[in-house]
Amino acid sequence: DSGVTQTPKHLITATGQRVTLRCSPRSGDLSVYWYQQSLDQGLQFLIQYYNGEERAKGNILERFSAQQFPDLHSELNLSSLELGDSALYFCASSVASGLETGELFFGEGSRLTVL
Amino acid sequence: DAKTTQPTSMDCAEGRAANLPCNHSTISGNEYVYWYRQIHSQGPQYIIHGLKNNETNEMASLIITEDRKSSTLILPHATLRDTAVYYCIVRVGSGGGADGLTFGKGTHLIIQP
Repeated sequence: DSGVTQTPKHLITATGQRVTLRCSPRSGDLSVYWYQQSLDQGLQFLIQYYNGEERAKGNILERFSAQQFPDLHSELNLSSLELGDSALYFCASSVASGLETGELFFGEGSRLTVL
Repeated sequence: DAKTTQPTSMDCAEGRAANLPCNHSTISGNEYVYWYRQIHSQGPQYIIHGLKNNETNEMASLIITEDRKSSTLILPHATLRDTAVYYCIVRVGSGGGADGLTFGKGTHLIIQP
């Protein structure tokens, strides 16, 4: 158990819809990262937040957005969903803003299926 | 970040040492080598990281060549639970780089009973 909690574990929805994925980082971790893993793309970094502020952006689509709240939990919002958005979405957390400790702690993921 | 090259897949007998190679010939002086693994559809798990010196922890050992152009992750006594995809990642480590790790395709290690 990494200490990172993601909900929901599974989600099935239709094209055009909007969903919200939630992540609670490990106690004390200030950074939250979101990753997308699909069969053909592998693990793709989407976005990072540190203590409520956006710190880095990766391959995140404009239809996707995220935020980190004062209690440090984070939400990833996916809108106008397409079939290709079907994937595993992972959240990870770390203590610092960078990778000083070398370690990201990953949650178990949220599996999104778009029909 | 420097690019890494790993074999697509490897087999290893249970109880033997599993040696996973990684080439990173364009690595810069301030870039670390990180290893993560992902057991089927679970979240990736950190294994070890290093800069120049060899490193060892309770999970594995990391051997980095003197020129730092390649490294080997060693699982000393592989078990069936070590079957996973292993990712070698090179990037700037401590002191900066506030962004996520870039995962490649990794090596699918299969431990045979």
